[in-house]
Amino acid sequence: SQTIHQWPATLVQPVGSPLSLECTVEGTSNPNLYWYRQAAGRGLQLLFYSVGIGQISSEVPQNLSASRPQDRQFILSSKKLLLSDSGFYLCAWSVRSPLHFGNGTRLTVT
Amino acid sequence: GQNIDQPTEMTATEGAIVQINCTYQTSGFNGLFWYQQHAGEAPTFLSYNVLDGLEEKGRFSSFLSRSKGYSYLLLKELQMKDSASYLCAVHGSGNTGKLIFGQGTTLQVKP
Repeated sequence: SQTIHQWPATLVQPVGSPLSLECTVEGTSNPNLYWYRQAAGRGLQLLFYSVGIGQISSEVPQNLSASRPQDRQFILSSKKLLLSDSGFYLCAWSVRSPLHFGNGTRLTVT
Repeated sequence: GQNIDQPTEMTATEGAIVQINCTYQTSGFNGLFWYQQHAGEAPTFLSYNVLDGLEEKGRFSSFLSRSKGYSYLLLKELQMKDSASYLCAVHGSGNTGKLIFGQGTTLQVKP
């Protein structure tokens, strides 16, 4: 069966520090991969998606970037965090449908 | 533009039936999804509709009318553990699989 691992579960980072969140999927090949963010009390906003290695599409202009160095690995990064980057970050995968989410990373930028 | 609307909050009584509505306007349509999200947790998949009609899965059912841009999620025999947010999401055009989510409906089940 397919599983998705996302870490860390929680993170507190100062403004201006770098960020790296990692997500890996097991049990499937060539999945579509996604990064979503959920601000407190808000809906899910799609940040990036990838349909293959090295292929990244950005949905909204922002302070973040994404990379897919391997088929089942998806990384979300920032060089300098802003206060507004705080939120619940969710990685997800799909092969056709539906989306399956990881457990999420709760990021607090102080 | 793309827009998905659902009520922000609903309250219902344990054992009752509740219907959560969702209306959408998107560029293209390849299916509508419902997810359940408990506080502090990731969303989990509940149901999927791509054709008009009702899909039943245990206590949960979901309905779709593509001509009206409308869906609802029906929860029967409510239990306290059903207290959660329910997210409506649409798969629009293209084959990327990306979903556009509504803001979610927070359901509180009371004894």
